[in-house]
Amino acid sequence: DTAVSQTPKYLVTQMGNDKSIKCEQNLGHDTMYWYKQDSKKFLKIMFSYNNKELIINETVPNRFSPKSPDKAHLNLHINSLELGDSAVYFCASLSGSTDTQYFGPGTRLTVL
Amino acid sequence: SQQGEEDPQALSIQEGKNATMNCSYKTSINNLQWYRQNSGRGLVHLILIRSNEREKHSGRLRVTLDTSKKSSSLLITASRAADTASYFCATDKAAGNKLTFGGGTRVLVKP
Repeated sequence: DTAVSQTPKYLVTQMGNDKSIKCEQNLGHDTMYWYKQDSKKFLKIMFSYNNKELIINETVPNRFSPKSPDKAHLNLHINSLELGDSAVYFCASLSGSTDTQYFGPGTRLTVL
Repeated sequence: SQQGEEDPQALSIQEGKNATMNCSYKTSINNLQWYRQNSGRGLVHLILIRSNEREKHSGRLRVTLDTSKKSSSLLITASRAADTASYFCATDKAAGNKLTFGGGTRVLVKP
């Protein structure tokens, strides 16, 4: 029944490693997003995809690469993790009929 | 930079009282939305108000929007302990566009 799901919920890793976070939505939405929430709770857009096509790419290091295998999935791959990447990452999808974004539960990434 | 700024940053009230928080933004918007985030959880959509609307209600929530002042307020009436959370405003410039969030207001409702 979960509308927007993310895995894993927690991710603890060493600096320099490569990791992926997966997101899936079962709402039939065309547009999906990745947001980053830092330690001060500020939320900032990273990427947006519409029907598997990238439409928003904020100033994010190219170590971050989103991938959308189909419109229900938007995964985030991060290369060469740095301490500053520690944050909570939220996936969201957009209801085109209501302009409302539905958020996943978040993935707390800790880079040691 | 954050599009929205919220005021106050933190709010502590007694259960049963009303809680009001404000959000200011800098550029023209299409919609303004309010979200709630419980500690360690994801964001839950509360209410959306369009740029041509001035007031909207949903249960115990009342949102106002003043586009001339580029500001919005969220009122929670008859607060409950379960309302303890962080509340964020978010704006978009066009339908389907990215959301730009404020810094949030942390609300503590004391029993």
